[in-house]
Amino acid sequence: GAVVSQHPSRVICKSGTSVKIECRSLDFQATTMFWYRQFPKQSLMLMATSNEGSKATYEQGVEKDKFLINHASLTLSTLTVTSAHPEDSSFYICSARDGRNHEQYFGPGTRLTVT
Amino acid sequence: AQSVTQPDIHITVSEGASLELRCNYSYGATPYLFWYVQSPGQGLQLLLKYFSGDTLVQGIKGFEAEFKRSQSSFNLRKPSVHWSDAAEYFCAVGALYGGATNKLIFGTGTLLAVQP
Repeated sequence: GAVVSQHPSRVICKSGTSVKIECRSLDFQATTMFWYRQFPKQSLMLMATSNEGSKATYEQGVEKDKFLINHASLTLSTLTVTSAHPEDSSFYICSARDGRNHEQYFGPGTRLTVT
Repeated sequence: AQSVTQPDIHITVSEGASLELRCNYSYGATPYLFWYVQSPGQGLQLLLKYFSGDTLVQGIKGFEAEFKRSQSSFNLRKPSVHWSDAAEYFCAVGALYGGATNKLIFGTGTLLAVQP
């Protein structure tokens, strides 16, 4: 079956630093990837839609200069949280849409803690 | 506004008992509905989806869901729960563009515990 990986699974960083999270589709090509954020006991909230070779589309209220998304290949999208602050601590989940059947497959998530 | 409500945050059932997880949605267009399951440290796995046609949808792992337009509901059911079903379950609604699913709106999830 289609597998999506995320790296790292967990990261702790200091306030003011930047953190990069990778999302890879392991056995299929994904022209579109999605980045979600999940707070404890809350919904997954879509942050942005990432299309290979073009700029990401951000949801209302998401700062594009703070959450940089790069989708440079058909199997890799990255989310960089710049100048992280404690309020950015959250669970970040990506999904990748398989171009063959248009299904979305989710990664296992990355737990970010900013101290 | 588009939204998904899962009224039950936490449900405990005995192994072998039946299960129903509730989901209500508010969506302006024709809804495309999904149920996902998430185990700790795992990604979301699609259990089933409804796009059109028969309103009773069969999924993996013995799950089914029924779309009721009049009640704006898409409840998930399983006749006999197994201990391995313990996980968090998310209902989601989305749009379909050109045959592809796009933005998904998720409910807050229902955490299922299974007693021996």
